Amino acid sequence: GESVGLHLPTLSVQEGDNSIINCAYSNSASDYFIWYKQESGKGPQFIIDIRSNMDKRQGQRVTVLLNKTVKHLSLQIAATQPGDSAVYFCAEGGRAGNKLTFGGGTRVLVKP
Amino acid sequence: DAGVIQSPRHEVTEMGQEVTLRCKPISGHDYLFWYRQTMMRGLELLIYFNNNVPIDDSGMPEDRFSAKMPNASFSTLKIQPSEPRDSAVYFCASSPSRGSYTGELFFGEGSRLTVL
Repeated sequence: GESVGLHLPTLSVQEGDNSIINCAYSNSASDYFIWYKQESGKGPQFIIDIRSNMDKRQGQRVTVLLNKTVKHLSLQIAATQPGDSAVYFCAEGGRAGNKLTFGGGTRVLVKP
Repeated sequence: DAGVIQSPRHEVTEMGQEVTLRCKPISGHDYLFWYRQTMMRGLELLIYFNNNVPIDDSGMPEDRFSAKMPNASFSTLKIQPSEPRDSAVYFCASSPSRGSYTGELFFGEGSRLTVL
């Protein structure tokens, strides 16, 4: 079946540096993508989303980039802080009834 | 505002016992999802409901798993009989309708199940 995957399972970054988390997806019919953050012992929390008619969207300290040509999604975190340490998931969805498929997750560790 | 509420937060049980996990979605949300999270398989969608009606249960592992949504404010996920391989964190999430597009999911804190 089609799925969403990640290139890097663990990303170690120095506090204050920028982080980039990558995600590859295979379902070309997906037209909605979301990044979630999951802290230890908690449920995933929404960070930012993007629709397939866009290639970039910015939030507070975060930017999501979508490259539909190569089916690639990335999350950029500016000036990474200790509170950004978590597991990050990308998820894809489409028009079929709110169903999201999640990738395997990338753990981000912020070094002080 | 209250988020998605799940209970119990932790459950330890013995193989063969029945387990019931509960979820109260965010008021006004039309969709409710049950996910299972393990180290090996990540986040897997088990089943989801729209307006209390099951829409897709293709992720339910086997007949030992069942889910119900008797009303808009309550859902259960039942495992009977439970097995050690069912040990995982089970998440409930809800989402409002957003026309024909997928909407953002709001997750609960999860129920950590350990089957001995």
